[in-house]
Amino acid sequence: LAKTTQPISMDSYEGQEVNITCSHNNIATNDYITWYQQFPSQGPRFIIQGYKTKVTNEVASLFIPADRKSSTLSLPRVSLSDTAVYYCLVGEGGTYKYIFGTGTRLKVLA
Amino acid sequence: NAGVMQNPRHLVRRRGQEARLRCSPMKGHSHVYWYRQLPEEGLKFMVYLQKENIIDESGMPKERFSAEFPKEGPSILRIQQVVRGDSAAYFCASSPREGREVYEQYFGPGTRLTVT
Repeated sequence: LAKTTQPISMDSYEGQEVNITCSHNNIATNDYITWYQQFPSQGPRFIIQGYKTKVTNEVASLFIPADRKSSTLSLPRVSLSDTAVYYCLVGEGGTYKYIFGTGTRLKVLA
Repeated sequence: NAGVMQNPRHLVRRRGQEARLRCSPMKGHSHVYWYRQLPEEGLKFMVYLQKENIIDESGMPKERFSAEFPKEGPSILRIQQVVRGDSAAYFCASSPREGREVYEQYFGPGTRLTVT
């Protein structure tokens, strides 16, 4: 059974860089890694997706080591509005099932 | 391009009643996923459907729960004889491509089911 684990919570201050890691030990060869942000009472919102090495878009970067058993979401210069729960999502190897990580509750302090 | 739409946004049912949750995927998306989020917990995969086909329902309880995605109309998640433990937020997501290759899943706002 796939296990996709994340730190339960993190605190940061405005303007700092935040790195959140997800461990996904059963990722399949052809699966991508996707990260989502969720605010209370809302659906998850897509942040970034990658397969290997590094991906960057206008809001975040995603670092994936060669073995792909983990990934790190990097949020540059967080603001108060980045306070949310962050989830990684990977496919369960050999199936069509998707596994969300346990979620990391990020709190950004002024 | 409208996003994923779910209705109703809030649904209250008494124990033993049926709940029907609807999901309209984004335009051009033919793959739908349903997830359940219990209060203060993470999201759990329930089922993956393509038009007129259930591809993977391994995350869905064997009894009382069913899902469909007809050729025309929204995807429906149906819960029969609801119990208090079914109270949760149910999220639908859609994707434009084949499910074995993971592409972005776009999520709807969810339906919050409360069983009294």
